[in-house]
Amino acid sequence: QSVLTQPPSASGTPGQRVTISCSGSSSNIGSYNANWYQQLPGTAPKLLIYSNYQRPSGVPDRFSASKSGTSASLAISGLRSEDEADYYCSAWDDSLSNWVFGGGTKLTVL
Amino acid sequence: EVQLVESGGGLVQPGGSLRLSCAASGFTFSKNWMTWVRQAPGKGLEWVANIRQDGNAKHYADSVKGRFTISRDNAKNSLYLQMNSLRVEDTAVYYCAGGDPSDMWGQGTMVTVSS
Repeated sequence: QSVLTQPPSASGTPGQRVTISCSGSSSNIGSYNANWYQQLPGTAPKLLIYSNYQRPSGVPDRFSASKSGTSASLAISGLRSEDEADYYCSAWDDSLSNWVFGGGTKLTVL
Repeated sequence: EVQLVESGGGLVQPGGSLRLSCAASGFTFSKNWMTWVRQAPGKGLEWVANIRQDGNAKHYADSVKGRFTISRDNAKNSLYLQMNSLRVEDTAVYYCAGGDPSDMWGQGTMVTVSS
């Protein structure tokens, strides 16, 4: 049972827009920045979004994110086959004094 | 080019110990928080531990507290994870990651705890 709750799966067709939600609490997302990671099959995770909505250099602007209260969301527009991956949200949790991850969302491009 | 290269993984019996190492290059290691994250086969990411730039602040997941110790040697640009009293449920790929949040990742080293 992850501290941050994500849907286990999401899907879309090429060109579509999909969103992935991440629900937390006042001790994590409600008080701290949310970050998002992309993990392509068989590879290490990659930071996709930091500080709620900021993109590291090299991340396409098709990826966007937002935070409201104790929840965060990741949106991918103009979906491509190479976006098929697992996506994880993450935040610091001050009641645990830990970083916490969501359980991950497997994105399938149909 | 940023590189994080983990080593030290392998097969160990329950109750045994392993020491993981992570060699860093291509960035200023001493100026970055460093973290260990693990991923059990077919499962999601689990944060394990992190350590401040000066090594004087460390945090651990409850699942490893008292059994694992994170440390660093800034002179050697290296991060370590001493894992004692290993359990079957510690079986995972262990990733070394740098930054806050973690924007630099190694490729991982596999730890298998089995009799």
